[in-house]
Amino acid sequence: AQTVTQSQPEMSVQEAETVTLSCTYDTSESDYYLFWYKQPPSRQMILVIRQEAYKQQNATENRFSVNFQKAAKSFSLKISDSQLGDAAMYFCAYRRAIQGAQKLVFGQGTRLTINP
Amino acid sequence: DVKVTQSSRYLVKRTGEKVFLECVQDMDHENMFWYRQDPGLGLRLIYFSYDVKMKEKGDIPEGYSVSREKKERFSLILESASTNQTSMYLCASSLSLPHSVFDEQFFGPGTRLTVL
Repeated sequence: AQTVTQSQPEMSVQEAETVTLSCTYDTSESDYYLFWYKQPPSRQMILVIRQEAYKQQNATENRFSVNFQKAAKSFSLKISDSQLGDAAMYFCAYRRAIQGAQKLVFGQGTRLTINP
Repeated sequence: DVKVTQSSRYLVKRTGEKVFLECVQDMDHENMFWYRQDPGLGLRLIYFSYDVKMKEKGDIPEGYSVSREKKERFSLILESASTNQTSMYLCASSLSLPHSVFDEQFFGPGTRLTVL
């Protein structure tokens, strides 16, 4: 079974600075997807960024980027130029690369606070 | 935009009551999911459905059942609510793409259920 671990229950960063959230996972499969989801205080979960395991290039979405280390089974999220609106719970998630309805396996979550 | 709605944001029930949590999506998605979110545990899959009247158990189905009579609606049922079912419940939906292994899951706002 696949597992996802986020070892940082809480993180804080000063506005405009950079923060990195950690995620490690365990799987015996070679092809899969990894995601970072954001859950703001209003609770609607939204997808921030995704990475296909077969791609070596790290995904980037504006101020959000990942450091995907497949051999180390590590998938960290870097948020540059942090903004107050980035304050949220962040979840790392794994999905098998198989067609059809596939569950997401989530980490425990990291609560990110942005200090003005 | 995909819209996933849940019938209640907050719900308070008594031990032993039968509880219905409703989820509706408006984008003709084949796949629907029910997750439970608890602090320190992240999200865990209870049940999912890949078609009308079809359902599959997730990781923690005990004490729950589901119903999917129409494509847009997926109900989670607590047959006899217990205090250990006090939690946040999140519904999600995704499109089943015929030539792709990837289907982004879109989440509802969640229902905070308290069982007294």
